[in-house]
Amino acid sequence: QKEVEQDPGPLSVPEGAIVSLNCTYSNSAFQYFMWYRQYSRKGPELLMYTYSSGNKEDGRFTAQVDKSSKYISLFIRDSQPSDSATYLCAMSRHFGNEKLTFGTGTRLTIIP
Amino acid sequence: DAMVIQNPRYQVTQFGKPVTLSCSQTLNHNVMYWYQQKSSQAPKLLFHYYDKDFNNEADTPDNFQSRRPNTSFCFLDIRSPGLGDAAMYLCATSSQGDAPHVSNQPQHFGDGTRLSIL
Repeated sequence: QKEVEQDPGPLSVPEGAIVSLNCTYSNSAFQYFMWYRQYSRKGPELLMYTYSSGNKEDGRFTAQVDKSSKYISLFIRDSQPSDSATYLCAMSRHFGNEKLTFGTGTRLTIIP
Repeated sequence: DAMVIQNPRYQVTQFGKPVTLSCSQTLNHNVMYWYQQKSSQAPKLLFHYYDKDFNNEADTPDNFQSRRPNTSFCFLDIRSPGLGDAAMYLCATSSQGDAPHVSNQPQHFGDGTRLSIL
């Protein structure tokens, strides 16, 4: 069993829809949870990060962490074609000098 | 803007011919990482530097080496590239401060170097 599981998709939704992306994990030591967006032929771009359980909102993006269920989510409201990308969840025990454990990424397409 | 810059963006080399990829950063981060990412896969950590301390992942082949001559630059050397080494190579940086939760920073990535092997 992988430490982090993420549905690879592909996921296609119409423009304006709410998108839900999810990851599950098995290592209870993880405390920091990140979402990266990766466009084709580009490096991963950090979207959001959260510490421990709870919600964090940034514009159209909301990250949720439920440590009791070992489940994290990224919601995208009012999805736009420019949101089409691969979304990678990543997590670690600490920040800084620490290895990230990634999910395999979900490929998302927003249909105009 | 502060950033992580990788050169070249695309590199073609011959089977067995040594190749060096470079990474520079203006974030003044003290940790630099090298990842290998193959198509539709998650990035795989090869090694990282915490300041001048080199940390190799247990499953990184000896064919992969790294150098960090100063805070801003880090190099990935592939001594004898094989066909299986064709991939995107990503450099990332982060900051490890003395006070947890105060100055630590998450990893920021460059746009990668796509390596092709002929």
